[in-house]
Amino acid sequence: KAGVTQTPRYLIKTRGQQVTLSCSPISGHRSVSWYQQTPGQGLQFLFEYFSETQRNKGNFPGRFSGRQFSNSRSEMNVSTLELGDSALYLCASSLQALSYEQYFGPGTRLTVT
Amino acid sequence: KNEVEQSPQNLTAQEGEFITINCSYSVGISALHWLQQHPGGGIVSLFMLSSGKKKHGRLIATINIQEKHSSLHITASHPRDSAVYICAVRRDSNYQLIWGAGTKLIIKP
Repeated sequence: KAGVTQTPRYLIKTRGQQVTLSCSPISGHRSVSWYQQTPGQGLQFLFEYFSETQRNKGNFPGRFSGRQFSNSRSEMNVSTLELGDSALYLCASSLQALSYEQYFGPGTRLTVT
Repeated sequence: KNEVEQSPQNLTAQEGEFITINCSYSVGISALHWLQQHPGGGIVSLFMLSSGKKKHGRLIATINIQEKHSSLHITASHPRDSAVYICAVRRDSNYQLIWGAGTKLIIKP
């Protein structure tokens, strides 16, 4: 079974731009969670989707949004990028919503200049 | 105060040593996870615990629900164990995962 894939792996954007990151979960997994990891803050939860519905949301501004498609693939969008958005964005999939076992993708490293 | 605290933040040891990493939490939880992150970002789930003890190879994880504390032990440590070890708890009120800051482990040959 293929693992969780994330595209692109690396991205450089400038302040004010927007960006869309993509995550394809393990086949059969219906839940996708997104995390932001920065050196100073560690891993922080962004949101969790299950069956195209957002089930949980972390404490991030509205510039951060996401969605999940009927095939369980998920996208995360960040609008009006700020320098502080530079981070590693990790996606994790699990079989069911609120399931405990999460499988992580390799991450997308976003640099905002 | 953070809801999940890990100690130590950094740990350097010699190959073969017995390693202990601690995690304390202050919220009600339904499960606790230990994960490993290697340089480059890849995260691997090591254990999920809700009670007792689990063992996988040279790794052992324990949890004491009453004391709100978990430990990750590595026996016969090896340089390939060098990584950041992260503790995360799933809060039982809203099922969100709350992450510790991680423990950076370096095992010297």
